Amino acid sequence: DVVMTQSPLSLPVTLGQPASISCRSTQGLVYSGRYTFLNWFQQRPGQSPRRLIYEVSNRDSGVPDRFSGSGSGTDFTLRISRVEAEDVGVYYCMQGTHWPWTFGQGTKVEI
Amino acid sequence: QVQLVESGGGLVKPGGSLRLSCAASGVTFSDYYKGWIRQAPGRGLEWLSYISGDSGDTNYADSVKGRFTISRDNAQGSLYLQLNSLRVEDTAVYYCATGPQIRTPDYWGQGTLVTVSS
Repeated sequence: DVVMTQSPLSLPVTLGQPASISCRSTQGLVYSGRYTFLNWFQQRPGQSPRRLIYEVSNRDSGVPDRFSGSGSGTDFTLRISRVEAEDVGVYYCMQGTHWPWTFGQGTKVEI
Repeated sequence: QVQLVESGGGLVKPGGSLRLSCAASGVTFSDYYKGWIRQAPGRGLEWLSYISGDSGDTNYADSVKGRFTISRDNAQGSLYLQLNSLRVEDTAVYYCATGPQIRTPDYWGQGTLVTVSS
């Protein structure tokens, strides 16, 4: 299975400051030579996961533009340009290229 | 408004069975792949299975292969997961998910809790 390794696992942040989460895969995530199915999800306490970013860098509708995704190959990053209080939660990367699709361990973002 | 609602969870003894359901409303999902993901208490997320719109393409994680069966009824707008030979380690919240591309699921249900304990 493809292992997704996130770092850090715990991320204390300061309101208004930037934050960054790394996600590394044990295999490349390009599918059919065209797509890279690397996604980012946010899970707030007591809620279901919510997709923020799909295919590395595409932000979902309604997701604030302070969230951005980047990367290629086996290294990917989620960035928050200025953390707000509502960003508290656990963030997961997920690869949808190789079955079984797999998630990272999660990064807990707390103020 | 798109909504997925899971049901069927509960307390079951090891070796027992349950059938989970996921009802969709707001959008016709009959063409979309659908899948099941679980989250053990305090743990991360694990993809279990997916099924194509016509039910012709299915796949399972090794951890549930031979014990769990995914199915769907497009006329009812429903997705199912039959859980057999349950183990303590199957205790988790089970989510259904779907979207135009199941490899990047953008619709999730609220989850249903399955507890396997004697």
